[in-house]
Amino acid sequence: AQRVTQPEKLLSVFKGAPVELKCNYSYSGSPELFWYVQYSRQRLQLLLRHISRESIKGFTADLNKGETSFHLKKPFAQEEDSAMYYCALGGSNYKLTFGKGTLLTVNP
Amino acid sequence: GAVVSQHPSWVICKSGTSVKIECRSLDFQATTMFWYRQFPKQSLMLMATSNEGSKATYEQGVEKDKFLINHASLTLSTLTVTSAHPEDSSFYICSADAPGPLSYEQYFGPGTRLTVT
Repeated sequence: AQRVTQPEKLLSVFKGAPVELKCNYSYSGSPELFWYVQYSRQRLQLLLRHISRESIKGFTADLNKGETSFHLKKPFAQEEDSAMYYCALGGSNYKLTFGKGTLLTVNP
Repeated sequence: GAVVSQHPSWVICKSGTSVKIECRSLDFQATTMFWYRQFPKQSLMLMATSNEGSKATYEQGVEKDKFLINHASLTLSTLTVTSAHPEDSSFYICSADAPGPLSYEQYFGPGTRLTVT
């Protein structure tokens, strides 16, 4: 069975501080992992995917197969980063399994 | 590009009635669409996978006779909640598989808030 765990429901940081949103997964195959973001009153949208190894809006995430983790990081948080972040795992039949999400609040 | 719309954005219906929610891919064709349910402050729960021209595949525990899914064209999938009850009240979100080779990337609709009174 595939599972995604985001241990923090809420995360609050100050502007300019580093931020790390944790994500651990359980999957027997070769995982494809994603971070989706939902800003207030907006739809869910893809932030980044591990396979492209890109940095979007200053965020990066590295897949660590040994620790089965895919933590999302940003060195200097901005107020506009405040949103709900979901880690997602791609499984069979191209279905996504989502974690429960972490609400990030960046305080001024 | 790659916009997914849902209609209606919110709906209130009485217990026992049925309500239909539409999901459209506006500027691309979607062979596969997905229907999710989201409870307040909780994650998205996949309900079913909708494939154009074939029967939907439902996740375990989802009543296929209650949540009827039809994917009649490459740009439209519908979810009908039949004989709705108050416990069906929720936020329903659809997504469409991104254009190009089949992948895990999905484009999400804005969601539909269903309230059953």
